Amino acid sequence: DGGITQSPKYLFRKEGQNVTLSCEQNLNHDAMYWYRQDPGQGLRLIYYSQIVNDFQKGDIAEGYSVSREKKESFPLTVTSAQKNPTAFYLCASSIYRINSPLHFGNGTRLTVT
Amino acid sequence: DQQVKQNSPSLSVQEGRISILNCDYTNSMFDYFLWYKKYPAEGPTFLISISSIKDKNEDGRFTVFLNKSAKHLSLHIVPSQPGDSAVYFCAASEDFNKFYFGSGTKLNVKP
Repeated sequence: DGGITQSPKYLFRKEGQNVTLSCEQNLNHDAMYWYRQDPGQGLRLIYYSQIVNDFQKGDIAEGYSVSREKKESFPLTVTSAQKNPTAFYLCASSIYRINSPLHFGNGTRLTVT
Repeated sequence: DQQVKQNSPSLSVQEGRISILNCDYTNSMFDYFLWYKKYPAEGPTFLISISSIKDKNEDGRFTVFLNKSAKHLSLHIVPSQPGDSAVYFCAASEDFNKFYFGSGTKLNVKP
């Protein structure tokens, strides 16, 4: 059954620690994305990648880093430089062609105290 | 600056009636528009989309309308069902690249 798997569903970290969120897809999609959702706000784009070994910053990339070593995987690291890391993080993928929607994983809720 | 806006944070509708969710955008280069449905603590689920060459697209109870001159998008759900209660996000993209999302409208369908 194809889909996008994000793990873990809930993650707790102490302030000052880096943390990596996992995202794996078996849809054979070329493009992958990371979004952040805060209460009462829409989804904001952190990073995206259209092909392996290449990625671009989104609108709120500061304090985050990513890698795309494999087509199936697009991990996101939330660094200690991110000022407000507590949020709901969503990974998505798409075929990367015209009129193709994003497909989302079920998200990771990160709480930093 | 938000390029996609949903000005109604919530909407309450009686079961069986029509739900109309609205969305406005500012970037005239957007060429693909989508609606997603989201339950708490889950990822958004793709509902329906429309390209800029069309003004209407239907899929069962869901119809999306696009008014390019007004830069306005709407989603109609007819008839509304209690299971439709969720947060609905509209989204838009240019050249199927970056996708921009509105802030969402919480729909409550009352039995």
